[in-house]
Amino acid sequence: NAGVTQTPKFQVLKTGQSMTLQCAQDMNHNSMYWYRQDPGMGLRLIYYSASEGTTDKGEVPNGYNVSRLNKREFSLRLESAAPSQTSVYFCASGGVKETQYFGPGTRLLVL
Amino acid sequence: QQQVKQSPQSLIVQKGGISIINCAYENTAFDYFPWYQQFPGKGPALLIAIRPDVSEKKEGRFTISFNKSAKQFSLHIMDSQPGDSATYFCAPGNFNKFYFGSGTKLNVKP
Repeated sequence: NAGVTQTPKFQVLKTGQSMTLQCAQDMNHNSMYWYRQDPGMGLRLIYYSASEGTTDKGEVPNGYNVSRLNKREFSLRLESAAPSQTSVYFCASGGVKETQYFGPGTRLLVL
Repeated sequence: QQQVKQSPQSLIVQKGGISIINCAYENTAFDYFPWYQQFPGKGPALLIAIRPDVSEKKEGRFTISFNKSAKQFSLHIMDSQPGDSATYFCAPGNFNKFYFGSGTKLNVKP
């Protein structure tokens, strides 16, 4: 039972490059989330998916797209990376009791 | 925009002391009030949570106190231990959307 897994763990991009962050959960949860964590700002919700086939914007969706591929997988795509997107990205999943289970994070540096 | 204000930003406590972290929110529709604990290099993990129909919940050394009229809730860590040194976040919300505070870095001195 791996919980929530994220790939890659660390990535360096140049401005304008694109990439997809992958997330998978094996807890049969309906809800999945993408957050970014910046120093002094806590975690901010980028997008979430309440169930397979649905996605909704969070607080900071600009510059990102998501895909809920199936119940297990929720990916986050940066089409044209900018230095302001340098951050630590966390994926989380949640069941009916609202507790969120977080992955280990992806550290992204955009030069 | 939902606002969640967490204080203090950092806290130093002696081993065996009480750590208190506060969270104030604005949205009266929130119905779930959790605290998460995060160690360096790891994702946050749920520590304890409360619903608005109770004013206090205790789990071991950790207690949440909830004041609905003041729109505030707090985390109390009794008999604080060096292993409790971590960053703590409140994250109130509802309907699959949760709003994290800016975090409190707790350092428990041995």
